[in-house]
Amino acid sequence: EVQLVESGGGLVKPGGSLRLSCEASGFVFNSHSMNWVRQAPGKGLEWVSSISSSSSAIYSADSVKGRFTISRDNAKNSLYLQMNSLRVEDTALYYCARGSMGTLDIWGQGTMVTVSS
Amino acid sequence: QSALTQPASVSGSPGQSITISCTGTSSDVGYYNYVSWYQQHPGKAPKLMIYEVSNRPSGVSNRFSGSKSGNTASLTISGLQAEDEADYYCNSFATNGARVFGGGTKLTVL
Repeated sequence: EVQLVESGGGLVKPGGSLRLSCEASGFVFNSHSMNWVRQAPGKGLEWVSSISSSSSAIYSADSVKGRFTISRDNAKNSLYLQMNSLRVEDTALYYCARGSMGTLDIWGQGTMVTVSS
Repeated sequence: QSALTQPASVSGSPGQSITISCTGTSSDVGYYNYVSWYQQHPGKAPKLMIYEVSNRPSGVSNRFSGSKSGNTASLTISGLQAEDEADYYCNSFATNGARVFGGGTKLTVL
């Protein structure tokens, strides 16, 4: 079964850091670009960052540039999001999603990040 | 990276057809044929319904169709059913390598 499972969310104070993980199974992980998408409570979807299959191309939304870093370990079938200098407005459910360019075809169930003092 | 523009809500009766628009710019929707649409039921992860403007993934009903003209993409759902009630989001690849979502449209089946 093709599956993405996120972990690492939690409660953190403003200015703090958190590292999210996404473990993939059921497909050839190193053949696919991967993405992080977030959704604040009661709000819409917001693309966060994308990484190509070989990590040669990385793109991030302006809202997280310089604070969040996407990475992957193809040997471990895992995707990561290192989040630093967290702000209250980063509070959201963070989804891991497979896909490139026009298609985000497989999504995980998400991991919740709450930034609050 | 401005969000794509979608209507906040649309509604229709069972059996009817509805169309949701998604307006971007010449740097995203108008530049590439990389527009996709996602359905999200409350408390669930988004589900891909249309990719590359008009293609349906395996398992998605042929009641769902997509199109594009200029900087505006559209999702049409024909033969509305109760289970179609959900939030719908468009997404486009952009010339700077970013992806941009629409603000979302809440579909109500009356």
